[in-house]
Amino acid sequence: QQQVKQSPQSLIVQKGGISIINCAYENTAFDYFPWYQQFPGKGPALLIAIRPDVSEKKEGRFTISFNKSAKQFSLHIMDSQPGDSATYFCAASTYSGGSYIPTFGRGTSLIVHP
Amino acid sequence: DAMVIQNPRYQVTQFGKPVTLSCSQTLNHNVMYWYQQKSSQAPKLLFHYYDKDFNNEADTPDNFQSRRPNTSFCFLDIRSPGLGDAAMYLCATSREVGVSYEQYFGPGTRLTVT
Repeated sequence: QQQVKQSPQSLIVQKGGISIINCAYENTAFDYFPWYQQFPGKGPALLIAIRPDVSEKKEGRFTISFNKSAKQFSLHIMDSQPGDSATYFCAASTYSGGSYIPTFGRGTSLIVHP
Repeated sequence: DAMVIQNPRYQVTQFGKPVTLSCSQTLNHNVMYWYQQKSSQAPKLLFHYYDKDFNNEADTPDNFQSRRPNTSFCFLDIRSPGLGDAAMYLCATSREVGVSYEQYFGPGTRLTVT
């Protein structure tokens, strides 16, 4: 059973455009929602994260929107650049035994054309 | 400077021949994780440690074991690798920072089983 559903699977955007990736979850025990960026041959990197008591968080060109009632959250990349081309994973985390345990979505491959 | 170091970066082993992957960190984070990531898939959590407290995911095969002899080092042992165990193995660390957490992934070890 897929606990975190992510869409789209792939996304092509022109330079300067807005990239939007959506995620949905079922388990209300999730209490922390990070996004990761992964370049080919590299490990994922934590990009930005949000807690469910906040509806929006912005860091530079990256914004998370969170809808607690709908159990959905999304990543918006403003002014997308070719260097943003990567795979993006959303995750939903629970806190267990002193550590956050993220459950990952299946990932979105983003290509930004120059 | 590398903060989460994985060795080797590429490992080739024979079917059924035990193999050990290693991870070290310079961050002094108390949480360490091992993930398996297959091509075009999300990382799948195998184990995590909070200090020396070991947590095994319910669906992690018995063929996989882990050791954490001290804060800095963590090992993944695959007792009898099968062809289906070929994957990228990612080590990660984390620590709480206020109401958030930092998490860093290593570059991964790509395991090939022949």
